[in-house]
Amino acid sequence: QITLKESGPTLVKPTQTLTLTCTFSGFSLSTSGVGVGWIRQPPGKALEWLALIYWDDDKRYSPSLKSRLTITKDTSKNQVVLTMTNMDPVDTATYYCAHRIMSSSWEYFQHWGQGTLVTVSS
Amino acid sequence: DIQMTQSPSSLSASVGDRVTITCRASQSISSYLNWYQQKPGKAPKLLIYAASSLQSGVPSRFSGSGSGTDFTLTISSLQPEDFATYYCQQSYSTPEAFGPGTKVDIK
Repeated sequence: QITLKESGPTLVKPTQTLTLTCTFSGFSLSTSGVGVGWIRQPPGKALEWLALIYWDDDKRYSPSLKSRLTITKDTSKNQVVLTMTNMDPVDTATYYCAHRIMSSSWEYFQHWGQGTLVTVSS
Repeated sequence: DIQMTQSPSSLSASVGDRVTITCRASQSISSYLNWYQQKPGKAPKLLIYAASSLQSGVPSRFSGSGSGTDFTLTISSLQPEDFATYYCQQSYSTPEAFGPGTKVDIK
């Protein structure tokens, strides 16, 4: 059974750096074709794709946020960490991590964490 | 960047209705199109991947079709548990994008 859970602060101040950890079980990030992604959703709005890391340490970022994002993995701990610098109130959202499956014909987020609401406010 | 649009943005339907949601990409994404269902306060759930492949455990009343730029999600007979918001997502190229969502509620 695959599970993922996001953890981190629920409240950050403007200009601070947000660090979120995704702790997962039921799969290994050293397995070919596997990845973990981060997606966020502002209250009442649509999903926004942020970043993705693959088993081979290939990393992808949303170009609009690339300068502020860093994604890393710790395979031994079954964790993926997302950092976002210079937080702003518009970054208030529920942040999800998700298990990624890829092949030559498809890529998708198969399992999702429950999400964690991050509020940016002074 | 590839932009995703969905129509309609919302719809009202009755139990037993056939429901069709359309998703369009601003350029060809082959079949790299996924559909997710999200209920209030919950994480999205994968329904369809690669445009037409049904995720394991998802009821067969859900189906997907299309390739290139135009895609469709169909619910053949709407059930009470299907009232939710549906998102398409392209996984063809970075940045991946989700559609704006289609909210399905009770008529």
